[in-house]
Amino acid sequence: AQSVTQLGSHVSVSEGALVLLRCNYSSSVPPYLFWYVQYPNQGLQLLLKYTTGATLVKGINGFEAEFKKSETSFHLTKPSAHMSDAAEYFCAVSGDTGRRALTFGSGTRLQVQP
Amino acid sequence: GAVVSQHPSWVICKSGTSVKIECRSLDFQATTMFWYRQFPKQSLMLMATSNEGSKATYEQGVEKDKFLINHASLTLSTLTVTSAHPEDSSFYICSARKRGVGVSRPQHFGDGTRLSIL
Repeated sequence: AQSVTQLGSHVSVSEGALVLLRCNYSSSVPPYLFWYVQYPNQGLQLLLKYTTGATLVKGINGFEAEFKKSETSFHLTKPSAHMSDAAEYFCAVSGDTGRRALTFGSGTRLQVQP
Repeated sequence: GAVVSQHPSWVICKSGTSVKIECRSLDFQATTMFWYRQFPKQSLMLMATSNEGSKATYEQGVEKDKFLINHASLTLSTLTVTSAHPEDSSFYICSARKRGVGVSRPQHFGDGTRLSIL
């Protein structure tokens, strides 16, 4: 079984400030972890993923995430927020070999203040 | 690459109508497609996994006869909401995984279909 917990349903930052979106996971097998972004009335776009290897993963739009096995975390960060980053962000896990679908967290809405 | 097209993007129809939603992988073959449902301000909930050439696998609590899924080719899966009622109103999103091996392959999502039943 696997699950994802995203702490904070809403995060508000100022433009230029650090973005930190938290994600903790639970998985009975080595997890594959993903971050997706969703803009209003649209599907999901992959930001980055962790499979194996380097624990610091760089994605699109300046985002990165670090896989910390000891903390079962995969937090998403960006050094400097842009107005265009305002969206809903979902953390997801896939790792159960018998289940290829993703299990999503509840999402975090990021607001960027001018 | 890896574009998934979902059609229609918005549907408004009367109660009792059946609605078909298409999900196409435009530039890759997808042996597996997934159908999700998203309620306002909530996360995506997996409804079913669609496998080309075989029956779909439905998640617990999802009515098979209500949500008919067909995956007739490597690039097309359809979801038909039969005899839709207002409680079926939601945002439906499909995703497709490229043909190949390994659960780490990412899913590519369509832009979703907003279904409103009057």
